[in-house]
Amino acid sequence: AQSVTQPDIHITVSEGASLELRCNYSYGATPYLFWYVQSPGQGLQLLLKYFSGDTLVQGIKGFEAEFKRSQSSFNLRKPSVHWSDAAEYFCAVGGGVDTGRRALTFGSGTRLQVQP
Amino acid sequence: DADVTQTPRNRITKTGKRIMLECSQTKGHDRMYWYRQDPGLGLRLIYYSFDVKDINKGEISDGYSVSRQAQAKFSLSLESAIPNQTALYFCATSDLRGDGYTFGSGTRLTVV
Repeated sequence: AQSVTQPDIHITVSEGASLELRCNYSYGATPYLFWYVQSPGQGLQLLLKYFSGDTLVQGIKGFEAEFKRSQSSFNLRKPSVHWSDAAEYFCAVGGGVDTGRRALTFGSGTRLQVQP
Repeated sequence: DADVTQTPRNRITKTGKRIMLECSQTKGHDRMYWYRQDPGLGLRLIYYSFDVKDINKGEISDGYSVSRQAQAKFSLSLESAIPNQTALYFCATSDLRGDGYTFGSGTRLTVV
């Protein structure tokens, strides 16, 4: 079975500070990994995705994530946080043509608060 | 128009009532999904459909049913609503690769 753990329920950072959101996954093969962001009252927007190749992937809004197979992790980073980054962030695993009939499994989310 | 449209956006219903949430998409995707979001639990899969005749239960399908009326339409029904079905419901679509879902804006359902 596939699963995702986001250990941090809530994180507060100061504007301009760096950010790292943690994500650990469990998956039986090479995973497809995703990060989504949900702003208050909105749906989910895809930030970035990893399928294969370069383990450091770039996404929208200045975010990046690094796939580390040895640690089963896919942590999301941003060098300098902006107040508009305050939102909830979800890591997800699964999907993809080689996974047969599985759908995405989401983590429980990390809520990011940005202090001025 | 949005790629994935969910109706209604908000709904309050009484315990025991049957309610249908609707989802339509213009992406041309074959795969459609229903998730519910609860605080602290993330998104959990209710049902998913890989094409019109291929419908599958997710991890929390009890108390729900679905209908895939066409490639573009996938509705979720609560046969007899109960208060712990109060949640935010999302519909999503993907292509055959499944390499990134497109989500609707959600339906906030309250069962009183």
